[in-house]
Amino acid sequence: NAGVTQTPKFQVLKTGQSMTLQCAQDMNHEYMSWYRQDPGMGLRLIHYSVGAGITDQGEVPNGYNVSRSTTEDFPLRLLSAAPSQTSVYFCASSYGGAITEAFFGQGTRLTVV
Amino acid sequence: AQSVTQLDSQVPVFEEAPVELRCNYSSSVSVYLFWYVQYPNQGLQLLLKYLSGSTLVESINGFEAEFNKSQTSFHLRKPSVHISDTAEYFCAVSGAGSYQLTFGKGTKLSVIP
Repeated sequence: NAGVTQTPKFQVLKTGQSMTLQCAQDMNHEYMSWYRQDPGMGLRLIHYSVGAGITDQGEVPNGYNVSRSTTEDFPLRLLSAAPSQTSVYFCASSYGGAITEAFFGQGTRLTVV
Repeated sequence: AQSVTQLDSQVPVFEEAPVELRCNYSSSVSVYLFWYVQYPNQGLQLLLKYLSGSTLVESINGFEAEFNKSQTSFHLRKPSVHISDTAEYFCAVSGAGSYQLTFGKGTKLSVIP
């Protein structure tokens, strides 16, 4: 019963560094997405994918890249980290898009100094 | 495009008292509505959802929400709260044919013993 697994749980980066947040799901869900959560802002969609090989931008995509080479994995890449990217990042997956239940990972808390 | 407004950022309530968490939405198409709950240091979990049919929907732990199309609202209620209900609650909306969930900014429910 792994569900949605995110790694790492915590990360500290220096400004300008790059890194990849990993997300994997074992439920054979077609739809996956990345959100960032900031105090008082709720969750904002960064990028999403409706299947392997298909990705699209959400509300706040700048500074982030994604790819979807397999159904299971949906990594999020920070190209050149900035302090404004300090946030908690959540990966989610669902079977049939937004009308079906979204399953969330435990989150990655990222601090950029 | 759709949006969600959660009218209260924090709601303190005494144990065994009733609570209402307010949510209003706007959308130009038919909507699907959701409440998600986030316990401390965890990801979000689906609490309940409205897709169609009966406008009153219930969760397994005693919460209920009513879809009111004329008032564009989807308020969450519980007649008697427990300490374990302390969490942050997010209202979310998606539109017909959309793959995207739009979240409100969240309401922190604090249950006071």
